[in-house]
Amino acid sequence: GAGVSQSPRYKVAKRGQDVALRCDPISGHVSLFWYQQALGQGPEFLTYFQNEAQLDKSGLPSDRFFAERPEGSVSTLKIQRTQQEDSAVYLCASSLASGGGTDTQYFGPGTRLTVL
Amino acid sequence: AQSVTQLGSHVSVSEGALVLLRCNYSSSVPPYLFWYVQYPNQGLQLLLKYTTGATLVKGINGFEAEFKKSETSFHLTKPSAHMSDAAEYFCAVKAAGNKLTFGGGTRVLVKP
Repeated sequence: GAGVSQSPRYKVAKRGQDVALRCDPISGHVSLFWYQQALGQGPEFLTYFQNEAQLDKSGLPSDRFFAERPEGSVSTLKIQRTQQEDSAVYLCASSLASGGGTDTQYFGPGTRLTVL
Repeated sequence: AQSVTQLGSHVSVSEGALVLLRCNYSSSVPPYLFWYVQYPNQGLQLLLKYTTGATLVKGINGFEAEFKKSETSFHLTKPSAHMSDAAEYFCAVKAAGNKLTFGGGTRVLVKP
């Protein structure tokens, strides 16, 4: 079956531009997560949705980062006024239930953002 | 708070040799532990996970890991490396809540 998909796969932005990254979770998955993976590092949690509710946004690095999931399916991560330090791979994951405990998170291929 | 430490950012093994990737964690509550693999330009794929019960966990592609509570470790092993095992491996912990906390990753190089 179809896995988690993300688009675009690669994005180059000039410093100061706004970008929008899209995530299509596995159909029927309740929970959706965004992680940021800087070069040479492990992924770091950004935010978490259960259906359309954003239950945890503690990992968002600044108020330039905004995520939404208005209908409880597709999610968009928006970064305003991009900075060079935003350059990273942005990974989306979905899980069938709440994502806690034994619930497995399934990852998409990521969007590689480069800010010039 | 929870954290994960992976010893060795790079590991080089010969084809057919043992693969051993080390992971130590800290957690204030009993954790759930995971190993993911990442191939170039791909997302993370789950190799195996420890929840409760048997401390030796078998995963895909011949990998296994052993949970040792006394050592707060969850090391990943494979008896015989294959060229296709060349990738980056991440250990992760999930304690209270839903988010995964990852280690820094270990890149595995397999020599013919």
